[in-house]
Amino acid sequence: AQSVAQPEDQVNVAEGNPLTVKCTYSVSGNPYLFWYVQYPNRGLQFLLKYITGDNLVKGSYGFEAEFNKSQTSFHLKKPSALVSDSALYFCAVRAGTTSGTYKYIFGTGTRLKVLA
Amino acid sequence: NAGVTQTPKFRVLKTGQSMTLLCAQDMNHEYMYWYRQDPGMGLRLIHYSVGEGTTAKGEVPDGYNVSRLKKQNFLLGLESAAPSQTSVYFCASSNRRGAHSYEQYFGPGTRLTVT
Repeated sequence: AQSVAQPEDQVNVAEGNPLTVKCTYSVSGNPYLFWYVQYPNRGLQFLLKYITGDNLVKGSYGFEAEFNKSQTSFHLKKPSALVSDSALYFCAVRAGTTSGTYKYIFGTGTRLKVLA
Repeated sequence: NAGVTQTPKFRVLKTGQSMTLLCAQDMNHEYMYWYRQDPGMGLRLIHYSVGEGTTAKGEVPDGYNVSRLKKQNFLLGLESAAPSQTSVYFCASSNRRGAHSYEQYFGPGTRLTVT
C-alpha cells in the first residue's frame, strides 16, 4: 500500500540548533514529495517539494529537504531553528490511483517545538 | 486574489441534520480536494476532483457527497450528519502545470461539531 510515515509525533530543539523532521514513504513509481507547515487554527502552507533533479531541495523560511531514493526518505532540515518555526509539519507524497489519476497521501504530522 | 476560501468557518449540527460546505478558489486550478483533519491521524482525503464536472472518492468518502459544477467551486455535502463526522475540514486546490505545479493551496478550514 502507498503510504507516508512520520515516525516522531514531536521534535524538541533548542533555538539556534539544527533541526530534522523525518519522513519516509512507500509509493510505486517516481515519487513527488512535499512538506507543509500548519500554524494553530490555520490551513496548511506549502514549504517545498521534490519532483525531479537535485536531491537537496530548498524551500521557504530557510527549510530544506533531502530526497534519498535508496532509503525512501525525505527529511526536512533547517540549519538554525527559530522559536517561530514551532508548528505542525506534514510530509506528503503524490500517489497514483487505479483510475489513472493522482492523489496526495499525508503523514500524521510532527509537532516541532523550538525552545528559547 | 483570495486564494482558497471556505464557508462557513464554524458549524454545529445535530445528528441527522444536513449541510453543505463551500470551497472556492480563484487561481484557475484544475484539481480540488476535500480533507478532514483529526487528532493523531493527519489529513485524510474525502473526495477530490480533477476537473469541472468530475469527482472521485478518496480514502474516507462514506457519508459525504461532492459536486463540482463550476471549475472554481467544490462543494462537500453531509446528508445525515453523525458525531463521527466531527472534525476540521480543509479544502485544497492545485495545478499540474507551471512553476507551482502540484503544490496544494489550502483554505482556512471549517470546524464542524456534530452533537
